[in-house]
Amino acid sequence: EVQLVESGGALAQPGRSLRLSCVASGFTFDDYAIHWVRQSPGKGLEWVAGIKWNSDNIGYADSVKGRFTISRDNAKNSVYLQMNSLRPEDAALYFCAKVGLVITPVAFFDHWGQGTLVAVSS
Amino acid sequence: QLVLTQSPSASASLGASVKLTCTLSSGHSTYAIAWHQQQPDKGPRYLMKVTSGGSLTKGDGIPDRFSGSSSGAERYLIISSLQSEDEGDYYCQTWGTGIDAVFGGGTKLAVL
Repeated sequence: EVQLVESGGALAQPGRSLRLSCVASGFTFDDYAIHWVRQSPGKGLEWVAGIKWNSDNIGYADSVKGRFTISRDNAKNSVYLQMNSLRPEDAALYFCAKVGLVITPVAFFDHWGQGTLVAVSS
Repeated sequence: QLVLTQSPSASASLGASVKLTCTLSSGHSTYAIAWHQQQPDKGPRYLMKVTSGGSLTKGDGIPDRFSGSSSGAERYLIISSLQSEDEGDYYCQTWGTGIDAVFGGGTKLAVL
């Protein structure tokens, strides 16, 4: 069974940093790209960042470019999201999602985690 | 620019059918999309991929009463024999030639 488990969400002050983790199981982790998607309270889904299976293709939404860094450790079946210079508008439930096709950097997301909550407030 | 447009809300009666629409922006009518369901206070769940030709790739365990189709720049999610647990938000998602993904604004479905 495919599982994606996020962690690391917390309350942070504006300008501070957080690191989110996504641990995967149930599939050949290093064959698939993984993405982060967020959902602000009462709002829709927003793509945040994605990383290809071998880390040679990485992308970010304009809203987080230059502040967030996505990375992965295939030996640990994990993807990370380093979030620096946090802003109040970064407050959201953050999901990791697995791409549904091998090797390709992005496609439909066929499995999702349950999310980890980030709050940003002074 | 690759944009997906969804109606904000829809409603249908218990046991009836409903058809949700996702419209691709001009110049992108050949793109495939995916449908995701989000029940209240839960994470999203992948339902299916719909190609421009109407081919479907369903997620694990998705019931047969969930189906999809395609016409021009529109992609559809059809839910038949509506049940109370079908109530929630439905998002379409697509992807371009880079690594970014795009979501529609979502449709909130009420089962009356």
